[in-house]
Amino acid sequence: GQQVQQSPASLVLQEGENAELQCNFSSTATQLQWFYQSPGGSLVSLLSNPSGTKHTGRLTSTTVTKERRSSLHISSSQTTDSGTYLCAIDRSNYNVLYFGSGTKLTVEP
Amino acid sequence: GGIITQTPKFLIGQEGQKLTLKCQQNFNHDTMYWYRQDSGKGLRLIYYSITENDLQKGDLSEGYDASREKKSSFSLTVTSAQKNEMAVFLCASSIGGSQDTQYFGPGTRLLVL
Repeated sequence: GQQVQQSPASLVLQEGENAELQCNFSSTATQLQWFYQSPGGSLVSLLSNPSGTKHTGRLTSTTVTKERRSSLHISSSQTTDSGTYLCAIDRSNYNVLYFGSGTKLTVEP
Repeated sequence: GGIITQTPKFLIGQEGQKLTLKCQQNFNHDTMYWYRQDSGKGLRLIYYSITENDLQKGDLSEGYDASREKKSSFSLTVTSAQKNEMAVFLCASSIGGSQDTQYFGPGTRLLVL
């Protein structure tokens, strides 16, 4: 079965609204990362958060390791935030990532 | 800073053809990866390599070969392209430890006629 499940599959917001993205994983994770994939396809790492809460800019990630879930909160969304957000876990210690299917975010002006 | 280059950007093949995709990185990273992404889905690991001449299979290795000729380059071969196959192949690299960020290339888009 799928090791990493993300919800919602898609989300449409008005500029300025906040977004909450969820990631649930079925096995123990030594690492959890959130990635952003632009509409053009390029993929960049947003932040790594295997446990606890981390902030970077308008992004906040909270990972509850025992409950095997993580969230990504985007505050005051902007049209340039549109794209797909992917959650990935590493079950080993070798940086071998398992990805979810992503949440496609559309921010309308 | 560094960059990952993937060639070609687009690849159109015929059913049964052997197709090779190339990836170069100048980060001086030890570990390199090949992922496949199908439309609307997440990435799935095909092969990875933790050092020159090393190869490790991912969950999707069947139907593919890989080669880590030198530290900076990692090639992927589709051994027999499947008709109507359409996917994006993404190359990545990292220093190698569990906490290290993976950096991705722009991808090669494959279409098999």
